[in-house]
Amino acid sequence: AQSVAQPEDQVNVAEGNPLTVKCTYSVSGNPYLFWYVQYPNRGLQFLLKYITGDNLVKGSYGFEAEFNKSQTSFHLKKPSALVSDSALYFCAVRGNYNTDKLIFGTGTRLQVFP
Amino acid sequence: EAQVTQNPRYLITVTGKKLTVTCSQNMNHEYMSWYRQDPGLGLRQIYYSMNVEVTDKGDVPEGYKVSRKEKRNFPLILESPSPNQTSLYFCASSWDRGVYNEQFFGPGTRLTVL
Repeated sequence: AQSVAQPEDQVNVAEGNPLTVKCTYSVSGNPYLFWYVQYPNRGLQFLLKYITGDNLVKGSYGFEAEFNKSQTSFHLKKPSALVSDSALYFCAVRGNYNTDKLIFGTGTRLQVFP
Repeated sequence: EAQVTQNPRYLITVTGKKLTVTCSQNMNHEYMSWYRQDPGLGLRQIYYSMNVEVTDKGDVPEGYKVSRKEKRNFPLILESPSPNQTSLYFCASSWDRGVYNEQFFGPGTRLTVL
């Protein structure tokens, strides 16, 4: 069965410091991985995805994520956090079988303090 | 502008009073989906549609109906709402089932059932 875990409900970081939001997954076969961000009173917005190829994926707003197959992880990172990055972040995963569904993690709230 | 629209954005209703939440996309996407977002549970899929006249159950379909008579519209129907359907609802669309392509989300509908 597929699953995705975001082990931290909230991550706090000071502005200018690097940030990491964690995501681990479990699928049969190869994973397709996504990160979405949700700002207050808004729908989810796509940040980046990993389908195949380079393990380091770059996305919108300076975010990047590293696919680690051995650790089954896809952590979201940014070298220097901004207060405006404060939002709810969702990891999503799908296996590569035709019957697999896209499933979302429970979300991690990122709080960046000035 | 490419977008997914939902109406209404906010709705307070009473138990048993039928309601419809509309969803429309202008990107000619074949795939559309409804999710509900609850604290600590992330996003859970209610129903999805691969194309016109093709719909299927997601993970939490009980108490909901959908229809896909036109490619751009995918309304969510609650025939007899109950308080446990109080939630934040999102409509999404994409070119496929979220395998290779990201989903575009509407702004959300916050439903309260009294």
